[in-house]
Amino acid sequence: DAKTTQPNSMESNEEEPVHLPCNHSTISGTDYIHWYRQLPSQGPEYVIHGLTSNVNNRMASLAIAEDRKSSTLILHRATLRDAAVYYCILRDDVSPSGGSNYKLTFGKGTLLTVNP
Amino acid sequence: GAGVSQTPSNKVTEKGKYVELRCDPISGHTALYWYRQSLGQGPEFLIYFQGTGAADDSGLPNDRFFAVRPEGSVSTLKIQRTERGDSAVYLCASSRRTGGLYGYTFGSGTRLTVV
Repeated sequence: DAKTTQPNSMESNEEEPVHLPCNHSTISGTDYIHWYRQLPSQGPEYVIHGLTSNVNNRMASLAIAEDRKSSTLILHRATLRDAAVYYCILRDDVSPSGGSNYKLTFGKGTLLTVNP
Repeated sequence: GAGVSQTPSNKVTEKGKYVELRCDPISGHTALYWYRQSLGQGPEFLIYFQGTGAADDSGLPNDRFFAVRPEGSVSTLKIQRTERGDSAVYLCASSRRTGGLYGYTFGSGTRLTVV
């Protein structure tokens, strides 16, 4: 899977929007952009994914650059419960061997701190 | 159950001992995955099961590590002759199908400490 680059850490204030960036300049045409987050003492939790178009769900929005070399996870109103490590992951639907691609390759992610 | 259950939540063992870590996936999820997470790092893939068989065990670090899923539901990760470097959080995840765009559901993990 192609590599992603995220800031090590970010801070936000409660009830303000948060924009978490991710660079993926070597993304291929079939790579989907996935976001997971990991709250303290928990396993990772799926947040959102997209391919080319911006996506919205109940947790967040995903804004994808037109050239797909970067994306931004948007939390519209941060709460204290959103404090977590956020991982941006690229995953092709098909593995290099031609079968289903089931692996998630995690980097170090961005540690988001939310201040009250 | 509603989520992926992992037991025990914490395990402290002495160097050289054998340990078993258990994962109960979400009912009906055919795909099951084990990951390992060291402090300050993202999770790393260990092994993947589709049904009862280990479809990919390429992430297991050495032959001291072994995992089974005999009836296609519960899985056990087994570590022989534990070493201090095995200390980590072991995460299990399951999904309804393999690959594609399905989000994985992770358990809270088992924190293994080898002293």
